[in-house]
Amino acid sequence: NAGVTQTPKFQVLKTGQSMTLQCAQDMNHEYMSWYRQDPGMGLRLIHYSVGAGITDQGEVPNGYNVSRSTTEDFPLRLLSAAPSQTSVYFCASRSPRGLSTDTQYFGPGTRLTVL
Amino acid sequence: ELKVEQNPLFLSMQEGKNYTIYCNYSTTSDRLYWYRQDPGKSLESLFVLLSNGAVKQEGRLMASLDTKARLSTLHITAAVHDLSATYFCAVDFGDTPLVFGKGTRLSVIA
Repeated sequence: NAGVTQTPKFQVLKTGQSMTLQCAQDMNHEYMSWYRQDPGMGLRLIHYSVGAGITDQGEVPNGYNVSRSTTEDFPLRLLSAAPSQTSVYFCASRSPRGLSTDTQYFGPGTRLTVL
Repeated sequence: ELKVEQNPLFLSMQEGKNYTIYCNYSTTSDRLYWYRQDPGKSLESLFVLLSNGAVKQEGRLMASLDTKARLSTLHITAAVHDLSATYFCAVDFGDTPLVFGKGTRLSVIA
């Protein structure tokens, strides 16, 4: 199993550009989430999904879109990048509570800089 | 509101000493996770605690869960420099995303 993969690892954007951060998992997990982590800060939830076709907003959704067309993939789209979106982005996946005693797995992260 | 509070947020400890990190949460749950994050890295799972009274140990780290008190502890025994990292607890409150504490930045000094 590759686990949770994210691409790219690093990205530099100019203000106003758009891009998509990719996230994929091969563990057949229904739940997937996107977090951002700013220096010295904890994790803030951006969007999450409890299954294909179902997404919902987290704590800081503004400026981001998501979709979940398959169980495996959960891309995060930045619509018009702003310097405030400079951060490290983590994707995570897990099974629903009743189906697993396993943990939530995190991808390696994407380090995004917006100039 | 679903809340998870960790304390302390910063911890500087001497090598060889013992210390405990606390994770309190706001409402009923019997499922809690501990993660470790090294600088510039992702989060790595340490422990999964699935019931009241659960205790897990790995090396110098031991985690426990008291669901009645809504409290988990991460105990560090005879700290070594390699344990320097940020530690997060996260609570599963049900059909919602995990709720994370703000993290405890641990620095072990000689």
